[in-house]
Amino acid sequence: AQSVSQHNHHVILSEAASLELGCNYSYGGTVNLFWYVQYPGQHLQLLLKYFSGDPLVKGIKGFEAEFIKSKFSFNLRKPSVQWSDTAEYFCAVHLNEKLTFGTGTRLTIIP
Amino acid sequence: DAGVIQSPRHEVTEMGQEVTLRCKPISGHNSLFWYRQTMMRGLELLIYFNNNVPIDDSGMPEDRFSAKMPNASFSTLKIQPSEPRDSAVYFCASRPTNRGSLHFGNGTRLTVT
Repeated sequence: AQSVSQHNHHVILSEAASLELGCNYSYGGTVNLFWYVQYPGQHLQLLLKYFSGDPLVKGIKGFEAEFIKSKFSFNLRKPSVQWSDTAEYFCAVHLNEKLTFGTGTRLTIIP
Repeated sequence: DAGVIQSPRHEVTEMGQEVTLRCKPISGHNSLFWYRQTMMRGLELLIYFNNNVPIDDSGMPEDRFSAKMPNASFSTLKIQPSEPRDSAVYFCASRPTNRGSLHFGNGTRLTVT
């Protein structure tokens, strides 16, 4: 069965620091990959997605993610975080019509 | 586009009562998903529908949970009888195609006392 691992449960950064959140998945075939963000008290919103093509995907709000097939990874990055990026971030894998989410990484940005 | 609409936003009920959560997907979306979110288990897929037909309900915790989608614009998730361990935020999501990204509703925060 496919699984999605997010090893960072809680990340605390200062504003302007660079961010990288890890995401690994277990399926070896073709997958579609997503990152969602959940701001406090809100629903999940799509940050970016990878279906095919350029493995470096750019999303909203300055986020990007790189698909590295050999490492089964799809890490999320942002060069300079802002206080408003405080949220929970979920990696997800789409396979067989289902979207399976990781356990999420809580990101806290200190002003 | 009003997005995915869920009701109620909050539900507080006593153990043993029946709870019905409602979802209106985005018009034209042909797949609908119910997720449950808790601190302990994160986001769990309960069930999903394609063209109003339940495809996979393996995530439904037990027989107390049931979901229906009588038409393309409405779905319900029912818990009968409810238990305190059912307390969670329940999200409904829809997508336009089998490979599209999910659009989530604002969720229903359920508290069972």
